[in-house]
Amino acid sequence: EAQVTQNPRYLITVTGKKLTVTCSQNMNHEYMSWYRQDPGLGLRQIYYSMNVEVTDKGDVPEGYKVSRKEKRNFPLILESPSPNQTSLYFCASRHGGAGMGQYFGPGTRLLVL
Amino acid sequence: AQSVTQLGSHVSVSEGALVLLRCNYSSSVPPYLFWYVQYPNQGLQLLLKYTTGATLVKGINGFEAEFKKSETSFHLTKPSAHMSDAAEYFCAVRRRGGSQGNLIFGKGTKLSVKP
Repeated sequence: EAQVTQNPRYLITVTGKKLTVTCSQNMNHEYMSWYRQDPGLGLRQIYYSMNVEVTDKGDVPEGYKVSRKEKRNFPLILESPSPNQTSLYFCASRHGGAGMGQYFGPGTRLLVL
Repeated sequence: AQSVTQLGSHVSVSEGALVLLRCNYSSSVPPYLFWYVQYPNQGLQLLLKYTTGATLVKGINGFEAEFKKSETSFHLTKPSAHMSDAAEYFCAVRRRGGSQGNLIFGKGTKLSVKP
């Protein structure tokens, strides 16, 4: 089954404790992205990757890091989480040109205390 | 810079009534246009998209949208609402040319369907 998986699905942590949210897709897609969803703000892109070792900032990259060492994986790293990073995070992937739609993961709900 | 505006954060319709969710974009060049749906506690799912050609596009679950360049709009419609359509709907755009990774979303419209 074609899918994007994220782990963990729920996470409670404390300020400053480094964490990683994993994302994996089994569709051999070139493009992968991370978004955060906040009430009243919709989805905002954090980072995206056009292929292995190629990443770029989205609209809200501050406080986040990403890496793309393998085509299927695109982890999101919070080196020093803060309460304003409490949010619902989605990973997405797509194949081919800019007119293609994206496949979204199920989401990771993060609470930073 | 591109932006997307969805008019109405909440829309309520009766079952069987017309659904109309509005989306306007601002861009000097018409972008690629998308509508996504998010059911409660789930990720987003692509409903339909406009890339080129016919300006009326049909998607899943009976939804369709019409690209109107003169109005910079891409409104989503469904002739007859069903209870299962209750969800949040997001309009999104991606610029043509240049860096093709950035997808800009509207803030979403939550659709309620009354029996």
